[in-house]
Amino acid sequence: DIQMTQSPSSLSAPVGDRVTITCRASQSISSFLNWYQQKPGKAPNLLIYGASSLQSGVPSRFSGSGSGTDFTLTISSLQPEDFATYYCQQGYFTPWTFGQGTKVEIK
Amino acid sequence: QVQLVQSGAEVKKPGASVKVSCKASGYTFTTYYMHWVRQAPGQGLEWMGKINPSGGSTTYAQKFLDRVTMTRDTSTSTVYMELSSLRSEDTAVYYCAREHIVSGGYLDYWGQGTLVTVSS
Repeated sequence: DIQMTQSPSSLSAPVGDRVTITCRASQSISSFLNWYQQKPGKAPNLLIYGASSLQSGVPSRFSGSGSGTDFTLTISSLQPEDFATYYCQQGYFTPWTFGQGTKVEIK
Repeated sequence: QVQLVQSGAEVKKPGASVKVSCKASGYTFTTYYMHWVRQAPGQGLEWMGKINPSGGSTTYAQKFLDRVTMTRDTSTSTVYMELSSLRSEDTAVYYCAREHIVSGGYLDYWGQGTLVTVSS
């Protein structure tokens, strides 16, 4: 199975900061990398698909980049509603696999 | 609008089976795979498998191959996930989520989740 490794596992940042989360795949997954945001008690919500395409309705402060094995999710200016856990997911190989999550907390 | 509405919470004893439903609306049911993803308390997301509502074909994660069955009813646009031989480690929230059959690779709409508790 493809292993997806996110870093960091958690981070603390103030509102307005630029935040970057990385995701590394154990082998190349082309651009089949997606990012989800999950808030407590809620289902995950798709933010970015195909490594860099912004899902409809998602604020433009979210962006994604990368291909092959190394990917990045960037929040350009952290907002109060962005405090959540973020997961990467590869959709290239079966079984689909997720990163372990990155919890973003208020500083 | 697209909606995936799941059945309610379940409490089961070890060794029993559970069947969770996911009713789709607001789109053409047969043009999207339906996946199942679970999340144990305080843990990450785990992919279980998917079903093609058009023909009913399934793909399961190796871990669940001998215990999971995914089915669909096209007349009601509902998919089902049955997990048998339940153990305490199966306590989790189970989500259904759709993937476009042609342009997919990602899950763009999710159900609200169904908590399954396995306890003696």
